[in-house]
Amino acid sequence: DTEVTQTPKHLVMGMTNKKSLKCEQHMGHRAMYWYKQKAKKPPELMFVYSYEKLSINESVPSRFSPECPNSSLLNLHLHALQPEDSALYLCASSQRSLGLAAITGELFFGEGSRLTVL
Amino acid sequence: DQQVKQNSPSLSVQEGRISILNCDYTNSMFDYFLWYKKYPAEGPTFLISISSIKDKNEDGRFTVFLNKSAKHLSLHIVPSQPGDSAVYFCAARAGSGGYQKVTFGTGTKLQVIP
Repeated sequence: DTEVTQTPKHLVMGMTNKKSLKCEQHMGHRAMYWYKQKAKKPPELMFVYSYEKLSINESVPSRFSPECPNSSLLNLHLHALQPEDSALYLCASSQRSLGLAAITGELFFGEGSRLTVL
Repeated sequence: DQQVKQNSPSLSVQEGRISILNCDYTNSMFDYFLWYKKYPAEGPTFLISISSIKDKNEDGRFTVFLNKSAKHLSLHIVPSQPGDSAVYFCAARAGSGGYQKVTFGTGTKLQVIP
């Protein structure tokens, strides 16, 4: 099982709504990531969790709130978003310190959650 | 500041011919370079990687070349197939540890024409 599962696949929300994106992996990976991708742009790193602790926050606005309840789950809580936050949100995980994938830096991505903010 | 750049936003190639996708980087601290392939409505999938101490890595139809002095790498696909049509992202990793700090390029959309 090499899947990273993201839900929902599509989300439409108003600027006053509170919603959450969810990500799950069962590969035993101990690092999980949130990336944001806008059209014709590269994926941009938002947050990194390593061993369930927040390791990187790339100066993301506080209207995005990550949570890592356990090593298999990663959430992104959304509140008071702006229309410019509309994008594809990608979750990824990576191998522990052993193994070729850990050495090369390979990330395993989910299919993404397409967010539209009205 | 874009540390990883792919200057060609798109490329069209005839089926059976060679596809060459290029990537330039600026950060000398990158220790691994990776290529990802992305279909619409899907997440990126890993294709091939190369260590900064190597100059070539081959996997089937895919070969990645690294010219460290020029801070340039390229992905060769031979022969190209229609199923290769996708967006290809060059990516680079700096350092290691409990997580991977990976920077992506802007992507090149490859179209393989049957």
